[in-house]
Amino acid sequence: KAGVTQTPRYLIKTRGQQVTLSCSPISGHRSVSWYQQTPGQGLQFLFEYFSETQRNKGNFPGRFSGRQFSNSRSEMNVSTLELGDSALYLCASSMGHGGETQYFGPGTRLLVL
Amino acid sequence: GESVGLHLPTLSVQEGDNSIINCAYSNSASDYFIWYKQESGKGPQFIIDIRSNMDKRQGQRVTDLLNKTVKHLSLQIAATQPGDSAVYFCAENPHSGNTGKLIFGQGTTLQVKP
Repeated sequence: KAGVTQTPRYLIKTRGQQVTLSCSPISGHRSVSWYQQTPGQGLQFLFEYFSETQRNKGNFPGRFSGRQFSNSRSEMNVSTLELGDSALYLCASSMGHGGETQYFGPGTRLLVL
Repeated sequence: GESVGLHLPTLSVQEGDNSIINCAYSNSASDYFIWYKQESGKGPQFIIDIRSNMDKRQGQRVTDLLNKTVKHLSLQIAATQPGDSAVYFCAENPHSGNTGKLIFGQGTTLQVKP
């Protein structure tokens, strides 16, 4: 069974631009969660999507948004990029029942200049 | 607030020795905990999980211990190998009923000396 895939793997943007990242979950998984990883803050939860609906949201500004499609693939968007948005963005998928293992993709490394 | 913290940022062990990585969590309502291993340039990889109705869970060369009284997790790795070198994170699922939200600790870097 194929694992979680994320595209692109690397991205360089400039301040003020916007970016869209994509995540394809493991086949059969209906929940996709997004995390931001930085050296200073560690892994922080952004949001979770289940059955095309945002089910949980972390403490990030409204510039961070996401969506999920009927095939469970998910995208996250960051608008008006800031230098501090430079990070590794990880998505994880699970069946969606809660209290279960989440499997992570390799991440998208975003650098904002 | 919610937090999961690790006691030591870096752990250095000799190849073949046992490693113990500790983690404290703060949410007494959390009932599901996961350990992940992250190698450089990769996403976190699942190692082992444990539910709050258990005290101990054993995997291949790894043992997961949960002490709910003091809200403490411990990952024990037997006969540590160079391939075990990575950053290890504990994570808690604070509302396991219907959520995929995980709260992560800061991570412990495990260095294995040959």
